[in-house]
Formats: sequence, C-alpha cells, structure tokens
Amino acid sequence: DIQMTQSPSSLSASVGDRVTITCRASQSITTYLNWYQQKPGKAPKLLIYAASSFQSGVPSRFSGSGSGTDFTLTISSLQPEDFATYYCQQSSSTPITFGQGTRLEIK
Amino acid sequence: EVQMLESGGDLVQSGGSLRLSCAASGFTFSNYAMSWVRQAPGKGLEWVSAIRGSGGTFYADSVKGRFTISRDSSKNTLYLQMNNLRAEDTAVYYCARASPYGSGWYGSNDYWGQGTLVTVSS
Repeated sequence: DIQMTQSPSSLSASVGDRVTITCRASQSITTYLNWYQQKPGKAPKLLIYAASSFQSGVPSRFSGSGSGTDFTLTISSLQPEDFATYYCQQSSSTPITFGQGTRLEIK
Repeated sequence: EVQMLESGGDLVQSGGSLRLSCAASGFTFSNYAMSWVRQAPGKGLEWVSAIRGSGGTFYADSVKGRFTISRDSSKNTLYLQMNNLRAEDTAVYYCARASPYGSGWYGSNDYWGQGTLVTVSS
C-alpha cells in the first residue's frame, strides 16, 4: 500500500499569511495526487486534482505542485473561510490512501 | 446538479449487519466509478471501497471479506453491505463520485454526499 504523510499535522496562521502544506508518498505516484478541504461537520471538498489542476470554483489563492513523491498545497493569502483541515489523497493505485490531515487554525 | 444522498446509517451491535445506500442524480451514473469513504469520530478520512462503471470492485484491507460494494444503474444507486461489524467501523460514511483523469480510472472524488452515521456498539 502507498503511505501518504502530510506535514505539518497542525498549523497556526493569520489572515493574509502564505501557507504551505506538504504531502509525501511512500513511492512514486506521478501526479495522481488530490487535495481536499474539510470543515467541521461537512463533507470534504475537492480543491486540486492531478497535483496542480484547479477544481472548478476553487479560488485562485489555492495552488498545488509536485510530482513523483513530493507535493505541496499553497494558500497564497489566507482568508477567514480557509481555516479547515486539509487532506491529500493518492489515486495511483488501490487501496486509495489519504494523508492524516493538516489542521489549519487561526493564530 | 450533481447530488449524492446517503441513507441507512444506524446503531447496530457488534457482529451485526447494515446496508448503506447512496442515491445519485444529475449525471450519467453508469459512466463513473463510485466510492465509499469513512471518517471515524475525530479522525481522518479513510477510503473504504470503490466500484468501477464496469463493475470491478476494490476494498481496503480493513473491510475486505466483510463489506460488499455494489451498484444498480437502473436505480442510480450505490450500496455498501456491511457484515460482521466491529466497533472500529463506527464512522460517518460518505458516498463520493470518482472522476477520472489522465490514464487512471479513479482520478479524484469530485462530488460527495453529506454522509450517514454508522455506530457499532460493543
């Protein structure tokens, strides 16, 4: 199974900050990497697919990069609605696996 | 508008069975793989199972042999039959569409239901 490791597990930041979350795969997944945002009590929402492609309707302050085993999600200027938990997911092979999540909190 | 609506979650005793349903609308159901993802209370997301449009099925090791995923394209409905339930199966279960990209059949989960809660008491 492919293990996905996110860092950090939690992060405190302020509105307007630039934030980067990293995700590492235990083996190469080329660009079969997706990012989701989840708010309490809600279903996850797809932000980025194929490592760097924007899902329709996602603000341009979100961006993704990487290939192989190392990936990043960047939020260029944090907005109040961005405080949530973020997950990466690999879809290169089954079982599909998620990272453990990064909780983004208000400083 | 693409929508998924899960149902069937309940409180069940350890060793019991439950069947979850997910009614899909707003897209050609048979053209997409579908999946179940769960989230235990206060925990992260865990992929459970997926079924391709052609019917091929895939499972997480934690549920293999106990859970069965199926679909009925005439009803646009996805199912998850859960047998021999354990306390560790307690979670919100989400139904999600798998939208392919590149040469991969799974791609990403672009639409999700609101989830249905399964509680297994020991």
